[in-house]
Amino acid sequence: QVQLVESGGGLVKPGGSLRLSCAASGFTFGDYYMSWIRQAPGKGLEWISYMNSSGGIIYYIDSVKGRFTISRDNAKNSLYLQMNNLRADDTAVYYCARFGDYHDYWGQGTPVTVSS
Amino acid sequence: SYELTQPPSVSVSPGQTARIPCSGDALPKHYAHWYQQKPGQAPVGVIYKYSERPSGIPERFSGSSSGTTVTLTISGVQAEDEADYYCQSVDSRGNYVVFGGGTKLTVL
Repeated sequence: QVQLVESGGGLVKPGGSLRLSCAASGFTFGDYYMSWIRQAPGKGLEWISYMNSSGGIIYYIDSVKGRFTISRDNAKNSLYLQMNNLRADDTAVYYCARFGDYHDYWGQGTPVTVSS
Repeated sequence: SYELTQPPSVSVSPGQTARIPCSGDALPKHYAHWYQQKPGQAPVGVIYKYSERPSGIPERFSGSSSGTTVTLTISGVQAEDEADYYCQSVDSRGNYVVFGGGTKLTVL
């Protein structure tokens, strides 16, 4: 069955960096767009970025442009999010999701806390 | 930036019908999808492409579209349907993914 497992979250100081990973299984990873979506505590869902299957199409929400970088390794069935210059308002649970007709499969999320 | 607008909350009694609207200028042009999220859990898709229901989703969940508004309808609401519901689409150019602010469904 389809499974997405995020890792790499944690506590980081403002200005710091983290790299999130999403390990995919149960489907042909290289055939699908993938998204990162986050949810701040007590808030709604916020899409951050997606990448197409080959990596040639990438979009980011304005608030993370220049700070976050999405990437993927289809040979390793993995999606990544490099997050630099983190701010307090980046504190959230970060989900990876398969982006087919819609976001049909989600991971369980990895929490990121940005605090001094 | 493009926005999808949902009411913050909807309340219904068990067995009644809940309707959750979502409005956005580009909705006539681009598909809308709906997700259910229960506390502490990841979202689950309940309707995609305006009105399609994924396998495993009960038939009481349905979706419709009219102009710039799409609506999630839950017929015969059950206590287990109490959750947050989010609509999702893309902007007018089809490049940026957007979620509505979410609607908390309370089953009285």
